[in-house]
Amino acid sequence: KNEVEQSPQNLTAQEGEFITINCSYSVGISALHWLQQHPGGGIVSLFMLSSGKKKHGRLIATINIQEKHSSLHITASHPRDSAVYICAVGSGNTPLVFGKGTRLSVIA
Amino acid sequence: SAVISQKPSRDICQRGTSLTIQCQVDSQVTMMFWYRQQPGQSLTLIATANQGSEATYESGFVIDKFPISRPNLTFSTLTVSNMSPEDSSIYLCSDGDSNYGYTFGSGTRLTVV
Repeated sequence: KNEVEQSPQNLTAQEGEFITINCSYSVGISALHWLQQHPGGGIVSLFMLSSGKKKHGRLIATINIQEKHSSLHITASHPRDSAVYICAVGSGNTPLVFGKGTRLSVIA
Repeated sequence: SAVISQKPSRDICQRGTSLTIQCQVDSQVTMMFWYRQQPGQSLTLIATANQGSEATYESGFVIDKFPISRPNLTFSTLTVSNMSPEDSSIYLCSDGDSNYGYTFGSGTRLTVV
């Protein structure tokens, strides 16, 4: 079974800071997902990656398949970015395996 | 991508009772998944629900405790039966697969007292 590790577990940043959240996994995958969970519990899918890099607004996600590692970057962070960010990996029809999440607080 | 409406968004229930959570998808999807997130923990898959067949449960989860219905390709329910305080969690549904991505419901925050 894939083991997914995220770091850091908790992160506090000042508004405007550049933020990086890391994810590593133990077994080869077909895709890695970055998810955002807000305090009410709902989850939004931010990115699905199988290689390279994707950008959406201030969010950038990268993946290195050989090193089994992915990063999520947030540029010019804002208090509305405060949420839990979850890395999840999957392969074909097997269920997603989730990391424990990184709790981000951005202070104005 | 699909949009999933999940309800209720939260509930407080007495121990020994049951709660049914509903997920409605705005398009037909083959597979739906149900997850539990206990306080401070990561999401754990409860079961996979395909239309027209019995749900497939993960280790540690049983049908008597978490019966699931999937009457058509746009709807599914999860019931949490004979609840105890240990069932207090966030419950989520999703559709999708690893090649095409996933859409999640908005979650149900359950507190059992």
